[in-house]
Amino acid sequence: GAVVSQHPSRVICKSGTSVKIECRSLDFQATTMFWYRQFPKQSLMLMATSNEGSKATYEQGVEKDKFLINHASLTLSTLTVTSAHPEDSSFYICSATPWGGQPQHFGDGTRLSIL
Amino acid sequence: DAKTTQPPSMDCAEGRAANLPCNHSTISGNEYVYWYRQIHSQGPQYIIHGLKNNETNEMASLIITEDRKSSTLILPHATLRDTAVYYCIVRVRGYGQNFVFGPGTRLSVLP
Repeated sequence: GAVVSQHPSRVICKSGTSVKIECRSLDFQATTMFWYRQFPKQSLMLMATSNEGSKATYEQGVEKDKFLINHASLTLSTLTVTSAHPEDSSFYICSATPWGGQPQHFGDGTRLSIL
Repeated sequence: DAKTTQPPSMDCAEGRAANLPCNHSTISGNEYVYWYRQIHSQGPQYIIHGLKNNETNEMASLIITEDRKSSTLILPHATLRDTAVYYCIVRVRGYGQNFVFGPGTRLSVLP
């Protein structure tokens, strides 16, 4: 079945560091991918929609200059958290939908911890 | 997208059937019912989806009422590994649309 892979699974870094998270669709092409954020004991919240070859669409309240999204190919989207601070610590999850109306598939998430 | 309502938590004995309800009284005719689950520290896992007919796969069964205003996810023989948060999501089927997650139901399978 369709698989979405995220890397890395866990990142621990110092405040002020920029962190890049990769999301790959392994056996299908995805012109659209989604990035979610999940804080402890809360549900997933959509941050942005990543569109291949064009600018990402950000949800209200999500800083586009803080969370840079690049979707340079049909199988890869990256989320860069720039100048990360402790409040950016969270569980980041990406997803994509194969063609043909198949259900959306999610990566295993990246746990980001900013010290 | 239609809003869904789920109980915040449920317990189930290991080996018994787990029946997870979901209300979606404002569902539209072209909206599907999707179920996902999230095991701690993992991404959501697709379970099953349906439009109006009951569906069954290797993981679960989905029972949708005739008026489509509610549904039930059935795990026929729950195991400890089924302990997770279960999300019921109603959405039109199609490419390029995100899912809106509610708080879900935290299912605890007890030994």
